[in-house]
Amino acid sequence: QKEVEQDPGPLSVPEGAIVSLNCTYSNSAFQYFMWYRQYSRKGPELLMYTYSSGNKEDGRFTAQVDKSSKYISLFIRDSQPSDSATYLCAAAGGTSYGKLTFGQGTILTVHP
Amino acid sequence: EPEVTQTPSHQVTQMGQEVILRCVPISNHLYFYWYRQILGQKVEFLVSFYNNEISEKSEIFDDQFSVERPDGSNFTLKIRSTKLEDSAMYFCASRDLNTGELFFGEGSRLTVL
Repeated sequence: QKEVEQDPGPLSVPEGAIVSLNCTYSNSAFQYFMWYRQYSRKGPELLMYTYSSGNKEDGRFTAQVDKSSKYISLFIRDSQPSDSATYLCAAAGGTSYGKLTFGQGTILTVHP
Repeated sequence: EPEVTQTPSHQVTQMGQEVILRCVPISNHLYFYWYRQILGQKVEFLVSFYNNEISEKSEIFDDQFSVERPDGSNFTLKIRSTKLEDSAMYFCASRDLNTGELFFGEGSRLTVL
């Protein structure tokens, strides 16, 4: 059973669109949820980090976690061509805070 | 801004050879990790390291792998006898104890021929 599932896309949107990226997870022990952005052949860059359920906003980015449905979302407002990248969701739980379980990653292209 | 640095950025090796990948974690972080990403696949956890010992490892991290913190700044991953299937990007990460956030390096691409 895959612990974190993410639609790999690809997803293509026009500049200025609102982007919605989603993941589901199966492990009830997960308490920490992250979104990373990864450019081609580069390391994952942390975008958002949330604990348990709720929303977190940072500029154009909003992360949502719904533990009751085991659903993780990332919204990007006013998307820019520079947002084009692979977006990875990740989760961790229990005492293994640094042992992240990643989703497959969604490839996003924002075209001018 | 502090960052995790990794060397080499790319290494090509023959099957059966030993490889050492090096990492310099963020200076005030105490937890260190290695992850790998085979081309087109998920980023996978390999091992976590704290207080000079392995705290957790995945089933991927078999006897061919070892980690070490030889001095106060470096953190290394050694693959004793490389196999073709070890070809991947290897990412080092370190964790901020206060926030729990995990920061990754740029990765070392290993190609085994």
